[in-house]
Amino acid sequence: NAGVTQTPKFQVLKTGQSMTLQCAQDMNHNSMYWYRQDPGMGLRLIYYSASEGTTDKGEVPNGYNVSRLNKREFSLRLESAAPSQTSVYFCASMVDRGNEQYFGPGTRLTVT
Amino acid sequence: EDQVTQSPEALRLQEGESSSLNCSYTVSGLRGLFWYRQDPGKGPEFLFTLYSAGEEKEKERLKATLTKKESFLHITAPKPEDSATYLCAVLSGSARQLTFGSGTQLTVLP
Repeated sequence: NAGVTQTPKFQVLKTGQSMTLQCAQDMNHNSMYWYRQDPGMGLRLIYYSASEGTTDKGEVPNGYNVSRLNKREFSLRLESAAPSQTSVYFCASMVDRGNEQYFGPGTRLTVT
Repeated sequence: EDQVTQSPEALRLQEGESSSLNCSYTVSGLRGLFWYRQDPGKGPEFLFTLYSAGEEKEKERLKATLTKKESFLHITAPKPEDSATYLCAVLSGSARQLTFGSGTQLTVLP
């Protein structure tokens, strides 16, 4: 079991460029999540998907879009990157009964 | 709105010096309180889930406890490898999303 995997691990973008962060889980979980983590701000929820075919906004959705491609995969897209989106992005999936979340290793994104 | 506050923000201990980290929460209908460990450059690693006041969970040198307003993560005789940021999160009501605190950065000196 690989758990939750994320690609890429690092990315540098210029303002206005677009990119998609990929996430996949092999634990057969229904719910998946995208967070960003900034110094002093903790983990903030961007979007989540409670099940295949559904997505909902979290605390900080502006500037992002998501796609739940199938039960395994949940991608995060930045259409026009801004320096304020410089952050570490984590994907997670949630155990259906226990409710604990398991996290990927993160993507470190810098927007110049 | 759910709120989670962790204290202290940072804690430095000598190896073997026991202490506790605090997580205070305000939620409407707690369904679970979660503790995570996060090492630099890595994703959070799940440690414990607590569901009701009075519950305790242990793992090696760590023990988590829960009251109606707060949770404590007790660290007994810590070692340098326990150095990490410890995160607390809550799940409430019918939500499918966790609310995280900002974490406590623990440093254990040899």
